Amino acid sequence: GENVEQHPSTLSVQEGDSAVIKCTYSDSASNYFPWYKQELGKRPQLIIDIRSNVGEKKDQRIAVTLNKTAKHFSLHITETQPEDSAVYFCAPYGGYQKVTFGTGTKLQVIP
Amino acid sequence: ETGVTQTPRHLVMGMTNKKSLKCEQHLGHNAMYWYKQSAKKPLELMFVYSLEERVENNSVPSRFSPECPNSSHLFLHLHTLQPEDSALYLCASSQERSGYEQYFGPGTRLTVT
Repeated sequence: GENVEQHPSTLSVQEGDSAVIKCTYSDSASNYFPWYKQELGKRPQLIIDIRSNVGEKKDQRIAVTLNKTAKHFSLHITETQPEDSAVYFCAPYGGYQKVTFGTGTKLQVIP
Repeated sequence: ETGVTQTPRHLVMGMTNKKSLKCEQHLGHNAMYWYKQSAKKPLELMFVYSLEERVENNSVPSRFSPECPNSSHLFLHLHTLQPEDSALYLCASSQERSGYEQYFGPGTRLTVT
């Protein structure tokens, strides 16, 4: 199966600073790379995704970058706000419902 | 109701009980998933159904038994569970071939006593 590693496991940043979370995967057939956000007591929700034919995608303060050669993709959050505090999961998709979630990164934004 | 719904939201059961978790999606998706979320393994995929056929079973103990009678409904039948099965059980759905984004239900918080 797919080996997915997510780093760091916890991250604390000052409000206004940037945060970067990296996801490394092993399956070279993976072609869809999403990031999910799970706030405390709530369900995971997709915040941004990227497909294998694109290197970078941006949506306001969040962006995702993909390096297919090195098999990793990263979540970038700029100008962090307290409401960004949550657990973030990567979930590379290898086709035919082969989705593996990373172990999660707990982001704390300190006001 | 829209999206993905799950019932019950909370469940306490003894080790000898039999219970079922229910999931319903109102999104017209053709794939549904069961996940277990606990402190040890944040999001562990248990079962996948695509077009009502099971396509993945990640070595889940037989005390968990899934059922997918149609593309909108998914059940997880539970029997003779262990205390370590206490966790949040999340259901999700997706539309293969048009995005792969997974839409999650609110989860069932299960406690095995």
